[in-house]
Amino acid sequence: EDQVTQSPEALRLQEGESSSLNCSYTVSGLRGLFWYRQDPGKGPEFLFTLYSAGEEKEKERLKATLTKKESFLHITAPKPEDSATYLCAVQAHYGGSQGNLIFGKGTKLSVKP
Amino acid sequence: DAGVIQSPRHEVTEMGQEVTLRCKPISGHDYLFWYRQTMMRGLELLIYFNNNVPIDDSGMPEDRFSAKMPNASFSTLKIQPSEPRDSAVYFCASSLFSGHETQYFGPGTRLLVL
Repeated sequence: EDQVTQSPEALRLQEGESSSLNCSYTVSGLRGLFWYRQDPGKGPEFLFTLYSAGEEKEKERLKATLTKKESFLHITAPKPEDSATYLCAVQAHYGGSQGNLIFGKGTKLSVKP
Repeated sequence: DAGVIQSPRHEVTEMGQEVTLRCKPISGHDYLFWYRQTMMRGLELLIYFNNNVPIDDSGMPEDRFSAKMPNASFSTLKIQPSEPRDSAVYFCASSLFSGHETQYFGPGTRLLVL
């Protein structure tokens, strides 16, 4: 069964304190791994897509990396505005058609000034 | 572009009533998805459409749930009759095909069934 597990469930950081969020997955043929950010009362907002092991993508203070079993979202020198829930999702190959996104339950990040 | 539009943003109803949630996808997107988010189960796919045709409805919890997409710019998710356990946030998302598989989410409808 395809599955996504995110850890930790919650993370509290001081402003400027770098850290990483983990997304472990099991999927029968990875088509893509997605990171989203969700603010309270809003829909998930797309951050990154990773397609193959070794791939990395960056956006401001965020960097996402991918291995064959997990992905990390590294946050460098975070600011209070980075506080949000970060969701990881995987998409599997299903006969060439667009497969469903399977989401983890997210990591709630709080950054204190 | 205005992004994915959902209405209503909040809905409070009583058990047994019919609830209809509405979604307008991003213009030009071929795929439309309905998700449900709860604290216990996270974000779960209910159903998705490609070019207005339902492709996979295996996530629809039971026959009380139905979804339609009469045209490329409108979709509905209906719950009849509603139950307290249906209380959740319902999201609509849309995406392009042709390799652009990123899904863009709407703001969600927060449903409370009393």
